[in-house]
Amino acid sequence: SALTQPASVSGSPGQSVTISCTGTSSDVGNYKYVSWYQQYPGKAPTLMIYDVSNRPSGVSDRFSGSKSGNTASLTISGLQAGDEADYYCVSYTTSSTYVFGTGTKVTVL
Amino acid sequence: VQLVQSGAEVKKPGASVKVSCKASGYTFSDYYLHWVRQAPGQGPEWMGWINPHSGGTNYALRFQGLVTMTRDTSISTAYMEVSRLTSDDTAVYYCARASDTTFPGYLCAMGVWGQGTTVIVSS
Repeated sequence: SALTQPASVSGSPGQSVTISCTGTSSDVGNYKYVSWYQQYPGKAPTLMIYDVSNRPSGVSDRFSGSKSGNTASLTISGLQAGDEADYYCVSYTTSSTYVFGTGTKVTVL
Repeated sequence: VQLVQSGAEVKKPGASVKVSCKASGYTFSDYYLHWVRQAPGQGPEWMGWINPHSGGTNYALRFQGLVTMTRDTSISTAYMEVSRLTSDDTAVYYCARASDTTFPGYLCAMGVWGQGTTVIVSS
């Protein structure tokens, strides 16, 4: 089933927010293949973090990822208005498939 | 690097739909392609991947027997067909290319996405 994320997080400009992504030992806890995607309304998702903590070229270093046990996390530091979007985690699973998270809406106050 | 998908479709329940994803700007056979769908107001759902080089596929369990992924390397295009459509299949369907060619390619994140194809199933 889907990985569990908080429905929403919010922060003021310049602050940091962290989004959690909780799975099980069959997915997040078993692999480094956890990625994070940003999605604006009506647009396709964009890759922000891959393999738990790596940033693709062109992605701001304000975005960082980590993992502990069955929970992965995405941190956005120096929050900006343009960061307001939906964020989804994805993990490879022991069934050789992928599972998405439930999604988190980030609001910049 | 670009993935351009076919246009929106309106289908009746029980029909099939075939969505195309044309790749440009890279060697089509070198990168795995995933298909992901997103129902209105919902999060994305992974459907499966295809290896454009070999044609090998892997489908999410819930789509096995309902979805067929194919490709035509001569025109750098991948296809995803969904059969026996129901209203629950109303969604935006995306193709997404692996971000790297590191072996095995299906373990690479989805780095390049198509613009999405809206499929509406309605009687």
